[in-house]
Amino acid sequence: RKEVEQDPGPFNVPEGATVAFNCTYSNSASQSFFWYRQDCRKEPKLLMSVYSSGNEDGRFTAQLNRASQYISLLIRDSKLSDSATYLCVVRGSSNTGKLIFGQGTTLQVKP
Amino acid sequence: GAGVSQTPSNKVTEKGKYVELRCDPISGHTALYWYRQSLGQGPEFLIYFQGTGAADDSGLPNDRFFAVRPEGSVSTLKIQRTERGDSAVYLCASSLGGMETQYFGPGTRLLVL
Repeated sequence: RKEVEQDPGPFNVPEGATVAFNCTYSNSASQSFFWYRQDCRKEPKLLMSVYSSGNEDGRFTAQLNRASQYISLLIRDSKLSDSATYLCVVRGSSNTGKLIFGQGTTLQVKP
Repeated sequence: GAGVSQTPSNKVTEKGKYVELRCDPISGHTALYWYRQSLGQGPEFLIYFQGTGAADDSGLPNDRFFAVRPEGSVSTLKIQRTERGDSAVYLCASSLGGMETQYFGPGTRLLVL
């Protein structure tokens, strides 16, 4: 079983739609959680960190449920420019800072 | 300021050859990471440097892979006796410290024929 699991999609949605991605992680000792965005043939870039209290950045909302070991990302009012792969990322329980990535979920926003 | 840079951007080699991939981190970043990303997968951790020393090399797949960071800045990932299965994008990331935000370079696309 992978440490971080995501539905690879693709998710095809029209502009303006609301879309949600989910992710589960297996190590209950994991300390930090993130969503990264990766455009085709580009490097991953940090989209947002995820906190137990939930956090919002414009159209993006991330939530963490430690009890269920579940992370979510909600995108409201989807734009064409949101088309990308969204990577669920967990920082392990060690103190080395290494990141553990999910497979990624592909989003395609269509006009 | 300048981000993380990696060279070459693409490398094609033949099975059995030796390759070196270079990473130039953001100036002042003491932590440096190497990851490998295969097609359709997320990046997988290879090795972490804090300064000049490899603090965690648990992700290196076997002894054909080795990395150095002799002066605590530029790092080189070395792969001996390359195999077709080594074909992937090799990503480097750096951060101010071990638990800070990691910034990724554009990667080196390695193709082993």
